Amino acid sequence: EPEVTQTPSHQVTQMGQEVILRCVPISNHLYFYWYRQILGQKVEFLVSFYNNEISEKSEIFDDQFSVERPDGSNFTLKIRSTKLEDSAMYFCASSELGGPADTQYFGPGTRLTVL
Amino acid sequence: AQTVTQSQPEMSVQEAETVTLSCTYDTSESDYYLFWYKQPPSRQMILVIRQEAYKQQNATENRFSVNFQKAAKSFSLKISDSQLGDAAMYFCAYRSYYTGNQFYFGTGTSLTVIP
Repeated sequence: EPEVTQTPSHQVTQMGQEVILRCVPISNHLYFYWYRQILGQKVEFLVSFYNNEISEKSEIFDDQFSVERPDGSNFTLKIRSTKLEDSAMYFCASSELGGPADTQYFGPGTRLTVL
Repeated sequence: AQTVTQSQPEMSVQEAETVTLSCTYDTSESDYYLFWYKQPPSRQMILVIRQEAYKQQNATENRFSVNFQKAAKSFSLKISDSQLGDAAMYFCAYRSYYTGNQFYFGTGTSLTVIP
């Protein structure tokens, strides 16, 4: 069964550095998402992406964050000038149709540690 | 904003027994979707079951069933005949029928299955 994959599984970075988290959505899916989960807290929505545009974003997704689909398979989340509070598990997800009933398929996550 | 509450951070169940995980939510919307996702250790979240708010009948998927009480804003997950492979973190999630893209997750319940 097709799966969403994410790399790396764990990323350690210094505060102020830029990181790029990578995701490969399921191949025929058109909608892509990023979520994050700070340790001990809820999984929070960051952004959704469709047709090479951001379709929805949360208050968390400020100018520090950006997303891109650089080619036909990858979907990336870039965090500029990382802060300690960016340490979290970041989940990518994809869905075929994007409606409220549509199933989102999640990747295994990238654990980001900012020192 | 919608909120989802899972009041049980940890639960345990004997193999072959039944366990119920609780979830409550707060919304002013009349149409929405509710989900239970399962996240095994170090693996991705997978959809367990989904309930449409306009349906009175409780959703069932094999050993998994829900007790959906719309007036009480309650959405519990029952796992029957628990198996070792059911051990995971379980997330309850809400999705609006109107805005559709993002999930609102609870904090999760860690389920241990005792052999």
